[in-house]
Amino acid sequence: DQQVKQNSPSLSVQEGRISILNCDYTNSMFDYFLWYKKYPAEGPTFLISISSIKDKNEDGRFTVFLNKSAKHLSLHIVPSQPGDSAVYFCAASSGTYKYIFGTGTRLKVLA
Amino acid sequence: DAGVIQSPRHEVTEMGQEVTLRCKPISGHNSLFWYRQTMMRGLELLIYFNNNVPIDDSGMPEDRFSAKMPNASFSTLKIQPSEPRDSAVYFCASSLSQLATNEQFFGPGTRLTVL
Repeated sequence: DQQVKQNSPSLSVQEGRISILNCDYTNSMFDYFLWYKKYPAEGPTFLISISSIKDKNEDGRFTVFLNKSAKHLSLHIVPSQPGDSAVYFCAASSGTYKYIFGTGTRLKVLA
Repeated sequence: DAGVIQSPRHEVTEMGQEVTLRCKPISGHNSLFWYRQTMMRGLELLIYFNNNVPIDDSGMPEDRFSAKMPNASFSTLKIQPSEPRDSAVYFCASSLSQLATNEQFFGPGTRLTVL
């Protein structure tokens, strides 16, 4: 029973274009959402987060959008760079330590 | 800061053997997490410690798995006996507190293969 779903296992994008990674959740108690990025042979690293009181959070090239009514969030990367090629994990929490992660989306940015 | 340290980085063992994974959290962090990553289920929380005390072990798959945190700078995850379906990457993470807004810092992981 996956409470956080990333339905696209992989995504390829041309360098300079926008990358859009999607995530759906089922639990309406989730109020804090995060994206982590993972390179091969390394642990996941925090990228960006958003609280349920907001619908958008931006940090440089990275923007996370939250649509609470649709229980959907997305990560936009503009412009995409080859160094962004990694696996991206979406996670959700109901305010505590317990992050529920999705299965990840592998992004490949083509030069 | 050295970050979260895990050892070994790779472990290959045979079914039935005992496996021990080790973790040193970031100094000053009072929350420690063990996760398992598989293709099918992504990252799953196995157990959470706060101030060296196990708070939530609901993710531990079965009695073959056990975890300890004897002090603030060391934790182990033990599998005994190991089975092929335990093959996965195991991550340790630490954070300043149990609040969701306190980022969890992950170690590099231990890739476990059980033959």
